[in-house]
Amino acid sequence: AQKITQTQPGMFVQEKEAVTLDCTYDTSDPSYGLFWYKQPSSGEMIFLIYQGSYDQQNATEGRYSLNFQKARKSANLVISASQLGDSAMYFCAMRASNTGNQFYFGTGTSLTVIP
Amino acid sequence: EPEVTQTPSHQVTQMGQEVILRCVPISNHLYFYWYRQILGQKVEFLVSFYNNEISEKSEIFDDQFSVERPDGSNFTLKIRSTKLEDSAMYFCASSYTGTTNEKLFFGSGTQLSVL
Repeated sequence: AQKITQTQPGMFVQEKEAVTLDCTYDTSDPSYGLFWYKQPSSGEMIFLIYQGSYDQQNATEGRYSLNFQKARKSANLVISASQLGDSAMYFCAMRASNTGNQFYFGTGTSLTVIP
Repeated sequence: EPEVTQTPSHQVTQMGQEVILRCVPISNHLYFYWYRQILGQKVEFLVSFYNNEISEKSEIFDDQFSVERPDGSNFTLKIRSTKLEDSAMYFCASSYTGTTNEKLFFGSGTQLSVL
């Protein structure tokens, strides 16, 4: 069974600072994908970044990077130079081939950027 | 970028009534999904659909739920006799290959309120 854990229900960060949102996962499948989505107050789910289990390098997408530590089964999202518009819920998700490639989400972290 | 479209954005219904939530997935996608998010909680998988049949469903997806792809573009979720606890945001999603390295494209959601 899959398990995604986000231990930070809420986080605060000063504008222009960097912030790390934690995500740990558990799967027995060697082939899996890890994803981060942003959900602003308007409710839509916005894809941010992807990391494959076989990827050698950490994924980066603009101000977003993923700190992938496979042995620790962690996939933390790093947001650099936080902006007010980054205030939102952030969900970590995983899909693995041994569970039909379904997306399983963590409980989310609410990020508030303080001016 | 292509979008998944969901209608209506808000639906209010009386307990015991039937509702149909509608989705238009991205046109060349082959895998379709419904997820739900009860207010402030995690995003939960309901059902996946491929090749005109359900490929996987969660324990939430009981006999009161059904899905259909009535034509080449729409994908619907029917809740036969709504309960108060069905109140949630319902997200439709689609993907092309359904593999571990592919993100899901989410619609903006339908907020269902059961009174």
